[in-house]
Amino acid sequence: SYELTQPPSVSVFPGQTASITCSGDKLGDKYTCWYQQKPGQSPVLVIYQDNKRPSGVPERFSGSASGNTATLTISGTQTMDEADYYCQAWDTTTPFVFGTGTKVTVL
Amino acid sequence: QVTLKESGPMLVKPTETLTLTCTVSGFSLSNARVGVSWIRQPPGKALEWLAHIFSIDEKSYSTSLKTRLTISKDTSKSQVVLTLTNMDPADTGTYYCARIPGVSTTWFDSWGQGTLVTVSS
Repeated sequence: SYELTQPPSVSVFPGQTASITCSGDKLGDKYTCWYQQKPGQSPVLVIYQDNKRPSGVPERFSGSASGNTATLTISGTQTMDEADYYCQAWDTTTPFVFGTGTKVTVL
Repeated sequence: QVTLKESGPMLVKPTETLTLTCTVSGFSLSNARVGVSWIRQPPGKALEWLAHIFSIDEKSYSTSLKTRLTISKDTSKSQVVLTLTNMDPADTGTYYCARIPGVSTTWFDSWGQGTLVTVSS
């Protein structure tokens, strides 16, 4: 089965840039999306098709993908961005695979 | 406005069958291009996709759970139903339903609030 691996945690100072990676075999050949999940809340889509932002998602959220890695970047991180982030891709063997999740802490 | 809402028992006993219902509004389940998935999250752990349904005939299941899962929909009631047999304490977690906005899309654009299911005798 297909697997996506993320770092367990990322720490960032307010105003700085946070980068969250998601690794999987030939991930750059698939579309990756990203979800933000705050404590006690449902996940919210922040990036789809590698680098597209849904309406209402701040411009400080951006995405990219190449090779075996997809990356979610939060520029000018704000305290409200503190949350868990999950990548997700689609694979023929296991549709809708989620990553292991990354906790972003704003110091 | 698209909304999804999960409902079902909060507590089930080991070996019992769990039945969860996702009631949707703001879109129609008769649109075969729109799908609904079930996803779960054990306490403090990652999201796990379980199953999805587009049309009546187009369904897909998690490889590891496919022998225990059944997904169906009742278009007239705007509901998607998930059953999970032979429940185990390891199945404890929050269960979400989420919308897939199109057949060719690979992401979930709307999620329900989730329902916490505890498996315990």
